Amino acid sequence: EAGVTQFPSHSVIEKGQTVTLRCDPISGHDNLYWYRRVMGKEIKFLLHFVKESKQDESGMPNNRFLAERTGGTYSTLKVQPAELEDSGVYFCASSNSRHTDTQYFGPGTRLTVL
Amino acid sequence: DQQVKQNSPSLSVQEGRISILNCDYTNSMFDYFLWYKKYPAEGPTFLISISSIKDKNEDGRFTVFLNKSAKHLSLHIVPSQPGDSAVYFCAASANDYKLSFGAGTTVTVRA
Repeated sequence: EAGVTQFPSHSVIEKGQTVTLRCDPISGHDNLYWYRRVMGKEIKFLLHFVKESKQDESGMPNNRFLAERTGGTYSTLKVQPAELEDSGVYFCASSNSRHTDTQYFGPGTRLTVL
Repeated sequence: DQQVKQNSPSLSVQEGRISILNCDYTNSMFDYFLWYKKYPAEGPTFLISISSIKDKNEDGRFTVFLNKSAKHLSLHIVPSQPGDSAVYFCAASANDYKLSFGAGTTVTVRA
């Protein structure tokens, strides 16, 4: 069974540009999450999808971040325009139905904003 | 505002000895606790979990202990092996799906 995949693995952009990160969850997982780790600190929750619906987006930093999950399959996270403080590693995770079901993480996308 | 804290950023242990990682939390609504392990350039990998109705859960070399009154949990690895060298994250959830993580503890197992 394929795990969670993320693309790209690395992205280097300049301040003010736009970047789109993609996540493909484990097949059959209705729950999809985005998290971010900045500067080696804690991993912080950004948002949670159940199928195509946003269940919880309380962790989204501001309206420069837009997440979508087309048809309840893959998800994209767009940052527009990017700022220096957006640099970090963005992780995607997916899980089955219950809140105690294990969240399986992808390898992350390392975003560097110059 | 950080609700899960790992106060030891690093731990060095000799191969074969016990590794003890600690984690404290502040939110009394947390009811499910997890440990994840992370290698460089990889995502976190689930290691072990414990529900708030238990005080201990064991899986092979890994045991997690929960002390609800102290809002403290710990992970014991025994015996420690070189492949255990990684960053370990403590995480918790409060009857929802959102995980709150600590900042991680880097474990180095010396031969």
